[in-house]
Order: sequence, then structure tokens, then C-alpha cells
Amino acid sequence: AQSVSQHNHHVILSEAASLELGCNYSYGGTVNLFWYVQYPGQHLQLLLKYFSGDPLVKGIKGFEAEFIKSKFSFNLRKPSVQWSDTAEYFCAVWTQGGSEKLVFGKGTKLTVNP
Amino acid sequence: GAGVSQSPSNKVTEKGKDVELRCDPISGHTALYWYRQSLGQGLEFLIYFQGNSAPDKSGLPSDRFSAERTGGSVSTLTIQRTQQEDSAVYLCASSYTGVTEQYFGPGTRLTVT
Repeated sequence: AQSVSQHNHHVILSEAASLELGCNYSYGGTVNLFWYVQYPGQHLQLLLKYFSGDPLVKGIKGFEAEFIKSKFSFNLRKPSVQWSDTAEYFCAVWTQGGSEKLVFGKGTKLTVNP
Repeated sequence: GAGVSQSPSNKVTEKGKDVELRCDPISGHTALYWYRQSLGQGLEFLIYFQGNSAPDKSGLPSDRFSAERTGGSVSTLTIQRTQQEDSAVYLCASSYTGVTEQYFGPGTRLTVT
């Protein structure tokens, strides 16, 4: 079965630090990749997605992610975090030819200290 | 337009009681999903609807869990004889098709005492 691994459970940064959150998946076929964010007290929102084309995708609020097929990875990055980025981040994978569902990682909680 | 809505937002129930959770997807979205979010466990897929049919029920944890969707719109997740381990946030999502991104509702926080 497909699986998604997010290696960092909790990341604590100071404002202006750079961010990289890891995401690896275990499916060798065609995938669609997503990062979702859940701000405190709010529902899940789409941050960015990759379906095809340029493997470097840009999302909202200055976030970007790079799809590296050979590494089965889709890491999330932001050059300079803000206090308002404090949230939980979920990587998700949809696999073509498989069940029509997203498989989510367990999430990474990001705390940004002012 | 309105997003995905879920009701109730919070539900406290006694062990052994049945509960019904409701999801109203975004109008025009044919695909609807139920997930369960437990602390530290990420999102666990429960069931997927395409229209009114459920091609994938593989995530339902036991036969106490069932779901239906009527009119290609509203869906209800029913948990019979609730147990304490059923306590979680139940999330509903919808998408235009099964391939496109999913839009999530605010969830129903279920507490079984």
C-alpha cells in the first residue's frame, strides 16, 4: 500500500529562518502531490500541488515545493518564515491507477517564534 | 460560493450510542471523502464517494461505521455503538472529480465518554 512519510514531527524556528519540511512517498507510478496546511483553529487548506510539468511548484504565502521523482520526494520550502506560518503541514499523495483517495502523511507541526 | 460544511461542529456522546455526522459538499463536486484525524496520527481515509456510489470503503475501521450519500450531494457518516477509541475529528472533503484537489470542511469533533 502507498505510504507517505513526513520525517519531522515538530519543527521550531525563529522568524526569518529558512524552512524545509521533508516528504517521501512509496509509490513508483504516476502521482499527484499536495501540501495542505492547518492553521490553529482552522480547517485544512491547500498550500500547493503538483500534477505534471515543472517539478518546482510555487504555492501561496511564499511556499514552494520540489518534486524529485528519483528520490520519491516532495519537500516543502520557504526562504523566510513568519510567526503567522505557525501551523501543521500535511503532505498528501494521489496515485494514478490506484484508489481514488489521498494518502496523507502524519503531519509536521511548525512553531515559529517571534 | 460556500465551502464544505459539516454538522455538528462538536458532538459528545456516551459510549454505546449511535451518532450521525453530516457533510454538505461544495455544489457541483462529484467526489466526496471522509477522513478521521486523531492526535498525532494524521488523516486516516475512511470512505470515498463518486456520485452516490462508494467505490472505496476500505478505510472504514469496523462494521459499526457506515456512510451514505444521497442526490449526489449530502453525505452522512453513521457510527453505531460508539466506543471511546472513536473519539476524533471527522473531516469531510469534496472535489470536482476524483483527481483534482480536495476542499475540506471544518470537521466534527466527536468525543465519546
